[in-house]
Amino acid sequence: GDSVTQMEGPVTLSEEAFLTINCTYTATGYPSLFWYVQYPGEGLQLLLKATKADDKGSNKGFEATYRKETTSFHLEKGSVQVSDSAVYFCALNGAGSYQLTFGKGTKLSVIP
Amino acid sequence: SQTIHQWPATLVQPVGSPLSLECTVEGTSNPNLYWYRQAAGRGLQLLFYSVGIGQISSEVPQNLSASRPQDRQFILSSKKLLLSDSGFYLCAWRPGGPGNTIYFGEGSWLTVV
Repeated sequence: GDSVTQMEGPVTLSEEAFLTINCTYTATGYPSLFWYVQYPGEGLQLLLKATKADDKGSNKGFEATYRKETTSFHLEKGSVQVSDSAVYFCALNGAGSYQLTFGKGTKLSVIP
Repeated sequence: SQTIHQWPATLVQPVGSPLSLECTVEGTSNPNLYWYRQAAGRGLQLLFYSVGIGQISSEVPQNLSASRPQDRQFILSSKKLLLSDSGFYLCAWRPGGPGNTIYFGEGSWLTVV
């Protein structure tokens, strides 16, 4: 079945540091890939998505590229802020599936 | 624009009591609807999803049930809560079918005591 593997956290970075959160997946066909963010005590918000190979999703300075050859969708940001502190979830929607399969989440803490 | 409402936001219930969480979506028709649970320190677990009125798919065996009495209404219920039912419950919706983005509500914190 479909699965998503994220790097385990927590991740602690200083403000303005470079961020990478690794995400790899297993799925048949061509899934759609997503990054969601969850701020403390809140629901999940879509951060970015990509629906086909080599697509780059971007939003709020975050980027991720759909790499079919390495089955990866790593999240990056060039300069993190304290306000980026949250839990980040990688997810996939398998071709023809009604479900989202989530990774376990990576908690990011950014310190001033 | 579409919005999703979920309530109550927080509740504390004794073991053995019933549960009803309600979710409604506005501004769309025939959405796919979902209930997820997030236990403390753990990832997201899909509980139920629905592709239409009266159509419910259950992903895990448990003492919870879901119903979809109207097109844009999704209800999560239990007749008798267990301690292990504590967690953060998230309703979500998606327009159309597979491949579209799933949007989440603000969540409901349930503590069973």
